[in-house]
Amino acid sequence: EIVLTQSPDFQSVTPKEKVTITCRASQNIGRSLQWYQQKPDQSPKLLIKYASQSISGVPSRFSGSGSGTDFTLTINSLEAEDAATYYCHQSSSSPYTFGQGTKLEIK
Amino acid sequence: QVQLVESGGGVVQSGGSLRLSCAASGSIFSSSGMHWVRQVPGKGLEWVAFIWYDGNNKKYADFVKGRFTISRDNSKNTLYLQMNSLRSEDTAVYYCAKDPCSSNICYLDHWGQGTLVTVSS
Repeated sequence: EIVLTQSPDFQSVTPKEKVTITCRASQNIGRSLQWYQQKPDQSPKLLIKYASQSISGVPSRFSGSGSGTDFTLTINSLEAEDAATYYCHQSSSSPYTFGQGTKLEIK
Repeated sequence: QVQLVESGGGVVQSGGSLRLSCAASGSIFSSSGMHWVRQVPGKGLEWVAFIWYDGNNKKYADFVKGRFTISRDNSKNTLYLQMNSLRSEDTAVYYCAKDPCSSNICYLDHWGQGTLVTVSS
């Protein structure tokens, strides 16, 4: 099973700050890595597909990078509405595991 | 726009069974792979199962193999999850999610609102 480890688990940030969340895979998954945002009491929402490809309707301040085992989600100029938990997810091999999540709190 | 609506959740005793449904709007359902993902309240996301567009191939997480069965009825635009031998650790919100690919997993581009399953001991 591929284990995805995110860091940090929690981060408290101020608006307009730049945020970086990392996701490390226990083995090479190429670019088969997605990022999802889940706000309180809502369903997850797709932010980034295939490590770095943008999704229609998602603000441009969200971007992804990486390949192989190391991936990054970057949020430029954080906004209050970005308070949420962020998950990475691999679609390389079954079982299609998620990272443990990174909770962003806006100060 | 795709809409997914889960139903069938509720309270069930340990060892019991439950069948979840996920009704999809739009004609795209029959050409899409579909997933079930669960989330223990206050915890992270866990992938549960995936089914090809035609139902001919299925994949499961190890913790549900032999107990849960994913299926679909394309004539009714509906996805199912039959859950047997339920355990307290199966208590979670269960989400269905659509995959834009038909016969391999790509990503989960639309999610339902979830249905809560509570297994009581």
